[in-house]
Amino acid sequence: DTGVSQDPRHKITKRGQNVTFRCDPISEHNRLYWYRQTLGQGPEFLTYFQNEAQLEKSRLLSDRFSAERPKGSFSTLEIQRTEQGDSAMYLCASSLFRLEYNEQFFGPGTRLTVL
Amino acid sequence: KNEVEQSPQNLTAQEGEFITINCSYSVGISALHWLQQHPGGGIVSLFMLSSGKKKHGRLIATINIQEKHSSLHITASHPRDSAVYICAVNSGGGADGLTFGKGTHLIIQP
Repeated sequence: DTGVSQDPRHKITKRGQNVTFRCDPISEHNRLYWYRQTLGQGPEFLTYFQNEAQLEKSRLLSDRFSAERPKGSFSTLEIQRTEQGDSAMYLCASSLFRLEYNEQFFGPGTRLTVL
Repeated sequence: KNEVEQSPQNLTAQEGEFITINCSYSVGISALHWLQQHPGGGIVSLFMLSSGKKKHGRLIATINIQEKHSSLHITASHPRDSAVYICAVNSGGGADGLTFGKGTHLIIQP
């Protein structure tokens, strides 16, 4: 395992459809993060997990968004009833959390286009 | 909520020039990150620092905690350095998600 992987890399969907993205972190990493990046902007934090526990959620994560990390390894991010405003790059990152040091390693992202 | 500001937003320079990108933030942090993003989206972590200065190859990052300011320098810039450079901070206190600046779009012309 050489890094964080995300699947799919690109997703085109019609408004109103549900989509699910997957993130596989670096194998020994205990923390996993989801971010969203719209065109021309910096990424924005959505949520993160420590092992299987979801520790923090941004107010950006509306009730149409749900994230899971059921076994503390891979994670899924589901968007229900997609809207055109959901079009963005969804980035996943992972880290091996230590109090004095917590560098995050990013995946390649999933680019979502909602038509 | 921490506000992260970067300057400049866009920078075009000639190969070989010394490049400086600045980042300021509004609230005390536990760590500051400099990230590089190439077209297509992939993000690479360049530096994570909480004090002082770090150097890696032609890249140097400095941080002044009292002034809530950090700089990223590139010496002897090269066209392959062309990318978006993003500053991000950990605000600490249990909130571990990064807060990002909007990025600086750097183009190095040969």
